Amino acid sequence: SQQGEEDPQALSIQEGENATMNCSYKTSINNLQWYRQNSGRGLVHLILIRSNEREKHSGRLRVTLDTSKKSSSLLITASRAADTASYFCATDASFGNEKLTFGTGTRLTIIP
Amino acid sequence: EAQVTQNPRYLITVTGKKLTVTCSQNMNHEYMSWYRQDPGLGLRQIYYSMNVEVTDKGDVPEGYKVSRKEKRNFPLILESPSPNQTSLYFCASSFQGHYEQYFGPGTRLTVT
Repeated sequence: SQQGEEDPQALSIQEGENATMNCSYKTSINNLQWYRQNSGRGLVHLILIRSNEREKHSGRLRVTLDTSKKSSSLLITASRAADTASYFCATDASFGNEKLTFGTGTRLTIIP
Repeated sequence: EAQVTQNPRYLITVTGKKLTVTCSQNMNHEYMSWYRQDPGLGLRQIYYSMNVEVTDKGDVPEGYKVSRKEKRNFPLILESPSPNQTSLYFCASSFQGHYEQYFGPGTRLTVT
């Protein structure tokens, strides 16, 4: 079952603009992670935000978490062509086993 | 270099012919996992292992087997592959399941 759902499914912006993608989930979580996948390759971890954190930064990435709304957003500032990729959120439910559940992803295209 | 390796990277096979996809990590991670990725469905977990000789089903385990005899290796076995197992497969490892996951490069499997 899908825990995280990203929105939008696809996003195209001009290079230099900011890109925002959202993730909604269904159950209480311990943490939420964002990953990037370049076409057909393995996923690469970008950032992890814990349930007691509201915002986290890493370079040009800014992640927010609103546990009351069960949602997170990933902001990429000053986008570059190299940011073209699919972005996935992954959640770790606060109950049960050590299991990370991935969403279906947002396909981001940066237009040079 | 810390990495997760998978072999083969590409495989075309016929229905019913048993195959094994190997996965190995050199980071001394306890947790390892297999995912399949299909268009529109995101990543779905097949099996995971929290330590040597400890494995458990993920969301889509039917038609797959795994074993964890050594900490570094986690092979995925398809005893009798069928066309609906045509997919892109990823192995991943981490210290614990809900932490940052390191992904292999993927294995693209086609079953005819």
